[in-house]
Amino acid sequence: DGGITQSPKYLFRKEGQNVTLSCEQNLNHDAMYWYRQDPGQGLRLIYYSQIVNDFQKGDIAEGYSVSREKKESFPLTVTSAQKNPTAFYLCASRGTSGGRDIQYFGAGTRLSVL
Amino acid sequence: AQSVTQLGSHVSVSEGALVLLRCNYSSSVPPYLFWYVQYPNQGLQLLLKYTTGATLVKGINGFEAEFKKSETSFHLTKPSAHMSDAAEYFCAVNSGGSNYKLTFGKGTLLTVNP
Repeated sequence: DGGITQSPKYLFRKEGQNVTLSCEQNLNHDAMYWYRQDPGQGLRLIYYSQIVNDFQKGDIAEGYSVSREKKESFPLTVTSAQKNPTAFYLCASRGTSGGRDIQYFGAGTRLSVL
Repeated sequence: AQSVTQLGSHVSVSEGALVLLRCNYSSSVPPYLFWYVQYPNQGLQLLLKYTTGATLVKGINGFEAEFKKSETSFHLTKPSAHMSDAAEYFCAVNSGGSNYKLTFGKGTLLTVNP
């Protein structure tokens, strides 16, 4: 089945630790996105990538980093500089449906601080 | 610049009653508009989209939305609520352009009472 796989489903971070969230897609999509979701805040864009080896900051990039070395993969690292990392993180990729671009989402990773 | 306002963070209806979830947007260019649904601890699933053409858009699970340019609205409706409709609903806007970034509203939690 084609889709977007995020792992792990749950992740715990200790103080001062960097953690990496995985996002893999087999939809052959060029563009991928990372969002952060907090209760009552909707989704906020962290980083996005239009093509391999290229990415741009979104609205809340501070304390996060990404890489895009392969078309299928867009990992997100939550660094120790992110002081409030507890949130639900969603990865998406962009494809075409009915002649229009649509974003498709993974099932998410819930990150908590120990 | 683009923005989305969802009126009502929480809407409660009885099973069989009309569902109305409100969304207003601002956009400097003709928008593309989307409604997504999120079940607990899951990713977002596309319900429906408006790009161009017919202003009444039908989506999955019996939902529909009407694009009203004069009111800058894209409200989501369903004639008869089912228990399975209980979820969080997000309206999103994209004003086009090569970067294709979605801006999401803060979400509306729909509760369906038996």
